[in-house]
Amino acid sequence: GAVVSQHPSRVICKSGTSVKIECRSLDFQATTMFWYRQFPKQSLMLMATSNEGSKATYEQGVEKDKFLINHASLTLSTLTVTSAHPEDSSFYICSAPPRGETGELFFGEGSRLTVL
Amino acid sequence: GDSVTQMEGPVTLSEEAFLTINCTYTATGYPSLFWYVQYPGEGLQLLLKATKADDKGSNKGFEATYRKETTSFHLEKGSVQVSDSAVYFCALSDYSSASKIIFGSGTRLSIRP
Repeated sequence: GAVVSQHPSRVICKSGTSVKIECRSLDFQATTMFWYRQFPKQSLMLMATSNEGSKATYEQGVEKDKFLINHASLTLSTLTVTSAHPEDSSFYICSAPPRGETGELFFGEGSRLTVL
Repeated sequence: GDSVTQMEGPVTLSEEAFLTINCTYTATGYPSLFWYVQYPGEGLQLLLKATKADDKGSNKGFEATYRKETTSFHLEKGSVQVSDSAVYFCALSDYSSASKIIFGSGTRLSIRP
C-alpha cells in the first residue's frame, strides 16, 4: 500500500537553530501534502497544506516565516522550523493523499523535535 | 467551520468488553468520516471510513455507521483485546477542502488483560 516516510524521527537541537524535516511519498506521487503538529495527549492540529510547485497554504495562527514549507517535487515536502525555541518542541507529522483517493490520508511516522 | 467532537478519555476496559467511543461532527457539506488509530510508538493509520449517510465502515472487528440525522459516527467493537490499546481519532474530510482532514481530540483506550 501507499507509504509515507518522514526523516528524522527524532531530533534535538539548541535554541536558535533551524531544523529541517523531510516527508517523502515512497510509492506514489503527491501533489498535496499536509503538515500536522501534535501536542502531548492532544489531537493533531493542521499547520499547513504543501502544494507541489507553489506556495504552501497555512492555517490561521501558524507563522509562515517560522515554519517554512517547500514542496519541490511530487514525492518530497520539507518543513523547516526556523530559529527554534523550546515552545516549538512537539511531534510533527506529515501526510499525503494518494492520487484519486480523496479524503483518505497516509501518514508518516512523525518527527519528534526537542529544542533545548 | 467544520469540527469533530469525540468522547474524552482515557477509557479503560477489561479484555472482551464491549467498546463504544462516541463521535459527533459539524460540517456544512457532506463529509466523509474516518476513524484513525495510533498504536504506541507508531504513526496514524486508517482504521475505517464511510463516505455517505448510512454507510457502515468496518475493519478488525470495529464498526462505525455514518448517521446523518444525528451527525454521529460512533466507533464500536463487540469484544476488545489487549492489542486494541491505542489512541483513536475520529475525523472528517470535506471534498471541497482538497482532502484536508479535521481530527477530533483523540480517545486513549487501554485494555486490561
